[in-house]
Amino acid sequence: QKEVEQDPGPLSVPEGAIVSLNCTYSNSAFQYFMWYRQYSRKGPELLMYTYSSGNKEDGRFTAQVDKSSKYISLFIRDSQPSDSATYLCAMSRVDSNYQLIWGAGTKLIIKP
Amino acid sequence: DVKVTQSSRYLVKRTGEKVFLECVQDMDHENMFWYRQDPGLGLRLIYFSYDVKMKEKGDIPEGYSVSREKKERFSLILESASTNQTSMYLCASSLRDSQYFNNEQFFGPGTRLTVL
Repeated sequence: QKEVEQDPGPLSVPEGAIVSLNCTYSNSAFQYFMWYRQYSRKGPELLMYTYSSGNKEDGRFTAQVDKSSKYISLFIRDSQPSDSATYLCAMSRVDSNYQLIWGAGTKLIIKP
Repeated sequence: DVKVTQSSRYLVKRTGEKVFLECVQDMDHENMFWYRQDPGLGLRLIYFSYDVKMKEKGDIPEGYSVSREKKERFSLILESASTNQTSMYLCASSLRDSQYFNNEQFFGPGTRLTVL
């Protein structure tokens, strides 16, 4: 079993919809939770990160961590065609300054 | 503007060839990484370097080696390319020590390697 599970999709939704992307994990030592966005033919870029539990909001994006369920989510409000990309979750322990454990990535398609 | 560059966007090689993939970062980062990315498998760490001439194996080092002679440059070497090494290769860099969040990795655009 992988340490981090993420549905690869694709997930196709109409423009303006609320999108929910999710990852589950098994290692309770993870403390940093990240979402990277990867456009086609580009490298991933950090979108948001949270430390420990709770929510974090940045514009149309909200990252949520539920450590009791070992479940993280990324919500996108008012989705736009420009949000079409692959979204990868990544996690790390607080004592590791480099090792990220990655989900497989979910391909998101926003239809105009 | 932070930048990680990779020597080639697309590369086609034959089985048995020695392949060099080069990565350069201009952010004075201590850490550098090589990943491969395959559909459904996400990013898998091949090798990691936290300083010049230092390296650590990642999850899938078999068939690969690395070289870091200068802080800004990290090379991935496929000693004898095989068809199962056909993949997207991504280089990344990050700070080693920071008072704040230090896990952000900055990626290059990737090299799509095809081994025939």
